[in-house]
Amino acid sequence: EVQLLESGGSLVQPGGSLRLSCEASGFTFSRYAMTWVRQAPGKGLEWVSGITDSGGSTYFADSVKGRFTISRDNSKNTLYLQMNSLRAEDTAVYYCAKGNGGWFDPWGQGTLVTVSS
Amino acid sequence: QSALTQPASVSGSPGQSITISCTGTSSDVGSYNSVSWYQHHPGKAPKLIIYDVSNRPSGVSNRFSGSKSGNTASLTISGLRAEDEADYYCSSYTSSSTYVFGTGTKVTVL
Repeated sequence: EVQLLESGGSLVQPGGSLRLSCEASGFTFSRYAMTWVRQAPGKGLEWVSGITDSGGSTYFADSVKGRFTISRDNSKNTLYLQMNSLRAEDTAVYYCAKGNGGWFDPWGQGTLVTVSS
Repeated sequence: QSALTQPASVSGSPGQSITISCTGTSSDVGSYNSVSWYQHHPGKAPKLIIYDVSNRPSGVSNRFSGSKSGNTASLTISGLRAEDEADYYCSSYTSSSTYVFGTGTKVTVL
C-alpha cells in the first residue's frame, strides 16, 4: 500500500523558516515525480511545488518562488520542502502527493504550518 | 496563475446527476489533457477521481465521469449518494510548467 507521511509542520514567526518532510513507502520512490499542495484555512487547494523523479528539475508556484525549495533524498524515500521568509499567507495544511505528470495520487494526510507572531 | 473557476456549490437529491464545471484558459485547460479531479472530505486526504480529462483510477466508481470542451472541463456525478457530499477540485497543467487548481465546489446531497 502506498503511504505518504508528512511531518515538520508547526507554529513559526513571520520571516522564519521551516522544513517539511514527506516519508514515502509502498512504491519505488525514485521512479516518481512528487508534489506539494497546500490548503489555507477556509480556502481551496493550491499547487505549491513539484520535483522530477531524479530531483533534476523543480517547479514552483509564483507565490513561493524564491522563498521555497523542494528536494528529495531517494535513498531515504523522503521528499522535502524548505520554506524560508515565511508569511502569514503561507499558513496552511501542506500535503505531499505522488506524481507531477498530470495528476496527483495518492496524497498524504497533511501537516499544519501556522505563521504567526 | 489564476485559479480555475468552479461553482461554489452544487446540490442534488439522492439518485440524481449533477455536473461541476471547471473553466480555465487557453494556457491551461484549453491546451492540455492533463485535467484531473479530486474529492476532498474535510480533514482527510484529497482523493483522485478522474485523470487525463476522463479516465477513472482503479477503484473509483463509474458514477464519476469527466469531459472537456474548449477551456472548460466538467465532472458529472450520477446516481448521487450521501457519501458523495464533499468538496471537489479540478486541476490542470499549465503552459508555465506548473499546475493550477480550481476554486473548489461544495457538493451537497439534499
